[in-house]
Amino acid sequence: RKEVEQDPGPFNVPEGATVAFNCTYSNSASQSFFWYRQDCRKEPKLLMSVYSSGNEDGRFTAQLNRASQYISLLIRDSKLSDSATYLCVVNNGQNFVFGPGTRLSVLP
Amino acid sequence: EAQVTQNPRYLITVTGKKLTVTCSQNMNHEYMSWYRQDPGLGLRQIYYSMNVEVTDKGDVPEGYKVSRKEKRNFPLILESPSPNQTSLYFCASKLAGGTYEQYFGPGTRLTVT
Repeated sequence: RKEVEQDPGPFNVPEGATVAFNCTYSNSASQSFFWYRQDCRKEPKLLMSVYSSGNEDGRFTAQLNRASQYISLLIRDSKLSDSATYLCVVNNGQNFVFGPGTRLSVLP
Repeated sequence: EAQVTQNPRYLITVTGKKLTVTCSQNMNHEYMSWYRQDPGLGLRQIYYSMNVEVTDKGDVPEGYKVSRKEKRNFPLILESPSPNQTSLYFCASKLAGGTYEQYFGPGTRLTVT
């Protein structure tokens, strides 16, 4: 079993839709969690950190469930510019483990 | 401008010819790291460094070397490149501590023939 797993997609959604991505991790000692966004073959950029209490940034909401070792990302009112690959990232102390990414295409 | 730079951005080389990919950051970050990205596998960590003269293996260190003689630089060395090291490489840096964001360089696309 991979340490961080994500549905690779692609998720093809119309503009304005709400879309949710899930991520599971296997190391119960994982300490911190992130969602990164990566546009085609460019460098990943931080979208948001994920906290146990859940956090929201505009149209984006992230949730962490430590008991189930599960992280989610919700995007509301999707824009064309949200089309990208979304990477779930887990920190296990000093090293970072990336999920394979979930590809999102927002269609006009 | 705060940034991570990598050179070269693109490189085509032949099996066995030693090469170095440079990485430099201007943010005074303690932590630096190298990743490779391959289709279907996502980013995998090669080596990381907590500070000057402190380096450690990531998940896929075989065939790579690193050094951290200065805080701002973290070069990746391939002593004898092989075709299975053809990949997209990213360098990243961040402040010490697990909750801080990693900043990535623009990537180096390496092809080994």
